[in-house]
Amino acid sequence: GAVVSQHPSRVICKSGTSVKIECRSLDFQATTMFWYRQFPKKSLMLMATSNEGSKATYEQGVEKDKFLINHASLTLSTLTVTSAHPEDSSFYICSVLRQGAYEQYFGPGTRLTVT
Amino acid sequence: KQEVTQIPAALSVPEGENLVLNCSFTDSAIYNLQWFRQDPGKGLTSLLLIQSSQREQTSGRLNASLDKSSGRSTLYIAASQPGDSATYLCAAPKKDDYKLSFGAGTTVTVRA
Repeated sequence: GAVVSQHPSRVICKSGTSVKIECRSLDFQATTMFWYRQFPKKSLMLMATSNEGSKATYEQGVEKDKFLINHASLTLSTLTVTSAHPEDSSFYICSVLRQGAYEQYFGPGTRLTVT
Repeated sequence: KQEVTQIPAALSVPEGENLVLNCSFTDSAIYNLQWFRQDPGKGLTSLLLIQSSQREQTSGRLNASLDKSSGRSTLYIAASQPGDSATYLCAAPKKDDYKLSFGAGTTVTVRA
């Protein structure tokens, strides 16, 4: 499988601040990456599709001004949680799409805690 | 919208028993179906990917079957070990996009 990294693995921030999470594809260039959110003991919920060189596509109910996505290169996508609140505390996971194979490779996740 | 269901939600077995995890999906127009493993607080590890044209895929003690017509996939884990304890997720992308629809997962506990 392909290697996908996320940074940081854990972050604690104060309410009202912004946090940036990076997702890197280390094995191949990716025009498409995905961002998911996972609540405790729940499955993954797709938040948005990150497209290199264009705007991200957000799923219904996900605030695009709250969760800013930038896919500036073929190996890096970033998710910025703006003006974070305790309810934004969650596990955020990115994935990289290997096109043609329609296979996604997942990062190790980032645990965000907002105090 | 693709709906994916996994049964059972949790499973506890003694070491050495075979495991059977079920996954069902509502839309059979899928490219493939993936099975993942997730350990607590960790990301997803891909276990098996079955292409829509295949009926099964095997890797070591793991075997996954796919029946598109009935909208089902089954993951078999032979001779379970305590290290197999984890949550297992299935997911399938629809043919008109790449997005994965996930099941809620089956949490497996293998008792030593």
